[in-house]
Amino acid sequence: ETGVTQTPRHLVMGMTNKKSLKCEQHLGHNAMYWYKQSAKKPLELMFVYSLEERVENNSVPSRFSPECPNSSHLFLHLHTLQPEDSALYLCASSQGPGTTNEKLFFGSGTQLSVL
Amino acid sequence: GENVEQHPSTLSVQEGDSAVIKCTYSDSASNYFPWYKQELGKRPQLIIDIRSNVGEKKDQRIAVTLNKTAKHFSLHITETQPEDSAVYFCAARKGGSYIPTFGRGTSLIVHP
Repeated sequence: ETGVTQTPRHLVMGMTNKKSLKCEQHLGHNAMYWYKQSAKKPLELMFVYSLEERVENNSVPSRFSPECPNSSHLFLHLHTLQPEDSALYLCASSQGPGTTNEKLFFGSGTQLSVL
Repeated sequence: GENVEQHPSTLSVQEGDSAVIKCTYSDSASNYFPWYKQELGKRPQLIIDIRSNVGEKKDQRIAVTLNKTAKHFSLHITETQPEDSAVYFCAARKGGSYIPTFGRGTSLIVHP
């Protein structure tokens, strides 16, 4: 275990459903990330929350909505998704640049299938 | 913004051979270069990283080299083993930023 826990591990949803992905980190990190990983595509950054900033990838559709209530928890709210949104969604955390733990610690991911 | 190119996309080697994966980056302000390994069905995990004030770093069979002038860095795996089979991602991150830019990944296959 890396100290980053994601739930659920698998999710199947219809295009009209609303669901949420959850991520929790127990490492005392101050930044959390959502990445999308599709077949034959690189890791696509969706959102970053840190002490200093929230960053969004402007190409992420509004049907994905992040929420970060505190530095240990991160959610990704999903609604009216499309089949092309089927992918592995990875959460990660880090301590931040210039620190001893600036590497990303990834969760196990949520494999999402949209029918 | 930063752009990271990674080659090759697929690399097939025989057990015991060496493997080299190369990445180039565009932003000269990048100063942190991690490499992640993702085995099939598992999460990416850091295997080695290098900062811009160092030209080479080694950890057992794995080494990373960095050429700041040419803006490229490489992962070297010696004496490859079947358990080295995975997708490897390079990344580059600018100083002070929380956000690494990833390469597209290299699928390494080590044949026994």
